[in-house]
Amino acid sequence: EAGVAQSPRYKIIEKRQSVAFWCNPISGHATLYWYQQILGQGPKLLIQFQNNGVVDDSQLPKDRFSAERLKGVDSTLKIQPAKLEDSAVYLCASSLRGSTGELFFGEGSRLTVL
Amino acid sequence: GENVEQHPSTLSVQEGDSAVIKCTYSDSASNYFPWYKQELGKRPQLIIDIRSNVGEKKDQRIAVTLNKTAKHFSLHITETQPEDSAVYFCAATRYSSASKIIFGSGTRLSIRP
Repeated sequence: EAGVAQSPRYKIIEKRQSVAFWCNPISGHATLYWYQQILGQGPKLLIQFQNNGVVDDSQLPKDRFSAERLKGVDSTLKIQPAKLEDSAVYLCASSLRGSTGELFFGEGSRLTVL
Repeated sequence: GENVEQHPSTLSVQEGDSAVIKCTYSDSASNYFPWYKQELGKRPQLIIDIRSNVGEKKDQRIAVTLNKTAKHFSLHITETQPEDSAVYFCAATRYSSASKIIFGSGTRLSIRP
């Protein structure tokens, strides 16, 4: 089966610019996650969707980050305006049904903010 | 809030020796503990998991132990091989469709030839 698809793989922007990342989960997976992974750290959950509803977004910096999953399938994460500390890999993951099983990760989108 | 602490942050062992990585969690309601392996430049992948109704689970050279009273769990890798070199992340969550998974900060394991 096809895995979790993410794009773009790499993005370099200047601070205060905006960027958007796209994720297409494994077909049939109800739960979609966006994680931020700063170099040398563990993945930090930004937002978790169950179908097209938000389960948790407590660690999403809502003044600059937004995410949507309009039809309960693919998702977009946007950062506007970007800050230097947003430099990280943004990992999308999906699971069949929440935390009751394996998370399948995409290859990630590496963001560099200059 | 929920927190997962992981130690050590780096670990170097001789090929063939054993490696142990330890994690503690804060949410006493957590009952599912997966471990993910992330090789350099690749995505994290699940290698083993354990639910709170068992104290130990083994899969070939990998085992995980859980002490619910002390709220800690450990990953044990025996007879280490070069391909075990990677970053390992522990995680804790409540086994449900609406719980978030909290990851530890990771352990970089290096296997010396």
